Amino acid sequence: EAGVTQSPTHLIKTRGQQATLRCSPISGHTSVYWYQQALGLGLQFLLWYDEGEERNRGNFPPRFSGRQFPNYSSELNVNALELEDSALYLCASSLDRTQFFGPGTRLTVL
Amino acid sequence: AQSVTQLGSHVSVSEGALVLLRCNYSSSVPPYLFWYVQYPNQGLQLLLKYTSAATLVKGINGFEAEFKKSETSFHLTKPSAHMSDAAEYFCAVSRRNSGGSNYKLTFGKGTLLTVNP
Repeated sequence: EAGVTQSPTHLIKTRGQQATLRCSPISGHTSVYWYQQALGLGLQFLLWYDEGEERNRGNFPPRFSGRQFPNYSSELNVNALELEDSALYLCASSLDRTQFFGPGTRLTVL
Repeated sequence: AQSVTQLGSHVSVSEGALVLLRCNYSSSVPPYLFWYVQYPNQGLQLLLKYTSAATLVKGINGFEAEFKKSETSFHLTKPSAHMSDAAEYFCAVSRRNSGGSNYKLTFGKGTLLTVNP
C-alpha cells in the first residue's frame, strides 16, 4: 500500500512570492493534516481538512491556506512569502486518530 | 489545552545499552499518545501509539512505551540500542476537541538520540 506522498521535495522561492505544496493521502483516508517544522520552533499544526472542508487551523496568518480535492488530495498555499516561512512542511493523512506522514516539502525562502 | 514535555533534547547511549526517552503530557481528558521517529531529511514514522487499550504498548524496531496515568508519562524504551536507532524522536498527544473530532497532534520538542559504537 502506497504511503502519503508530497511534492515537490524541495521548493525555493523569494520573499513575496507564492508557494504551492501538494499532498496525496493514503488510499481510503479522508483527513489530511498539514504541519510546519521550522528550525527552533518544532512541529506546529497548520490546517486540517476532512471530506473536502477545512475543519480547523492552527495559529497561522490567513496567507496560509489550502484546499482538499474530491479525491482527498490536498494543496497548501502560502502567499506573500516571508523569510521565516522557510521550513519543512509535513502532510499527514488519517482515517481515525492515527496520522501517517509523508516525506515533507522543504521550502526555502530567499 | 494539551501539551507534551520531552525531558532531554539530546540523549546519548552506547550500542547495546538501554534506551530511555522521557515524555510527560498534560491533558484534561484521557489522551491518545504517540511516538514518532524522524531520520535526517525525512518525514515522521509512527513507532507506536496508545489509544486506551493496554497500558504497555509495543511498537516497531523493538521499542515499547508504558502509559502511566498517575505520573502523566509515556516514556519510550528499548532494551538494546542499535546504531540504526540514531534519529530524532517525537512524543505527541491528541484529543477530541469539545466541539468536534479534530485529532490534531501536539508535539513535544523532540529528543535527538545518538548511539555510540
